[in-house]
Amino acid sequence: TQLLEQSPQFLSIQEGENLTVYCNSSSVFSSLQWYRQEPGEGPVLLVTVVTGGEVKKLKRLTFQFGDARKDSSLHITAAQPGDTGLYLCAGVSGTYKYIFGTGTRLKVLA
Amino acid sequence: SAVISQKPSRDICQRGTSLTIQCQVDSQVTMMFWYRQQPGQSLTLIATANQGSEATYESGFVIDKFPISRPNLTFSTLTVSNMSPEDSSIYLCSVAPGAKGEQYFGPGTRLTVT
Repeated sequence: TQLLEQSPQFLSIQEGENLTVYCNSSSVFSSLQWYRQEPGEGPVLLVTVVTGGEVKKLKRLTFQFGDARKDSSLHITAAQPGDTGLYLCAGVSGTYKYIFGTGTRLKVLA
Repeated sequence: SAVISQKPSRDICQRGTSLTIQCQVDSQVTMMFWYRQQPGQSLTLIATANQGSEATYESGFVIDKFPISRPNLTFSTLTVSNMSPEDSSIYLCSVAPGAKGEQYFGPGTRLTVT
């Protein structure tokens, strides 16, 4: 069974701090997606990384796909209260085969 | 991208009854997905619904408990049958219209079974 473990599970930080969320698996994925979900809403796609070693930036968010395409990280610089939410990674293997990570709940305090 | 609406947004149901959740997409899509999510936790895929064919269910989910309809390319329903308190959860539908398989989710249906 494919598993995607995220760490940390919970994170509470002050506004302005930096943080990194990790998404790890023993399986290889063709691509990996990151989503953010706020209470009462569905997950919203942040980014898709496809190539091993790929780095993508979305304003203060930096996403990296591991060289072996088994893991990924999300780094947030100078976190803001608006970054609060549940962060989910999702590994994609084959057509329409998604494995969601265990989730990281982030709270940024003003 | 795609815009997805779900009905109802939330419901409180009695044990033993059934609830049908509707999912409407603003564009035609081939595949639709149904997920279950405990509040604050990750998503578990229930089934994949392809228009014109039977839904494909994941391990641990069966058609008798979660029948799915997919009458056209913009609409699907998921029924939660003979509900028990263990079915209390958030149910989400999603689509993946693009070549990269990026998913777009509805806002979810929060179900409480008493």
